[in-house]
Amino acid sequence: SQKIEQNSEALNIQEGKTATLTCNYTNYSPAYLQWYRQDPGRGPVFLLLIRENEKEKRKERLKVTFDTTLKQSLFHITASQPADSATYLCALDETGTASKLTFGTGTRLQVTL
Amino acid sequence: GAVVSQHPSWVICKSGTSVKIECRSLDFQATTMFWYRQFPKQSLMLMATSNEGSKATYEQGVEKDKFLINHASLTLSTLTVTSAHPEDSSFYICSAPKNMNTEAFFGQGTRLTVV
Repeated sequence: SQKIEQNSEALNIQEGKTATLTCNYTNYSPAYLQWYRQDPGRGPVFLLLIRENEKEKRKERLKVTFDTTLKQSLFHITASQPADSATYLCALDETGTASKLTFGTGTRLQVTL
Repeated sequence: GAVVSQHPSWVICKSGTSVKIECRSLDFQATTMFWYRQFPKQSLMLMATSNEGSKATYEQGVEKDKFLINHASLTLSTLTVTSAHPEDSSFYICSAPKNMNTEAFFGQGTRLTVV
């Protein structure tokens, strides 16, 4: 069966450290993999998109890697800040058209002072 | 980035009544929009694809007669929850891609509580 797994436990880290979140998938062949941020009671906000032929993507303090052999993506936030506290969702896009996204359950990140 | 607006942000309704949720793309045209549902501590689950000028496409297990979708213009899709019951209480979110091969833009979501 198809599965997208993210760390179900909350991730607590200290301000200034690097947060690393994991997204593993089974029985999917995504053309794109996307990461979103979701705050409580709000819709997801797009962060980064990485294509199947890309290994790594960066945007400011964010970095995403994509290993289609391992079927895994890692999402890094460097120099983390309390404002980075949120739930982070990975989403698979098998068509590459930003259309039907299949989401993981998300990982809640808590950055403390 | 593009803006997708959803209204209302929250609604409380009595069991048996119908509720309409609007999703608008404010600065771009969207021939396709998507409706998701999210239960507490769970992932977003795609309910249906809203197509401008044609019938919506529903995911397996989603009742099309209960969740009516209308995409009458290039900037507006509506989701009507008919004869709502307490188990329909959830967070409903719409999204629209601005262009092909890019990210999706999400509305702020609608919290529906059926009492």
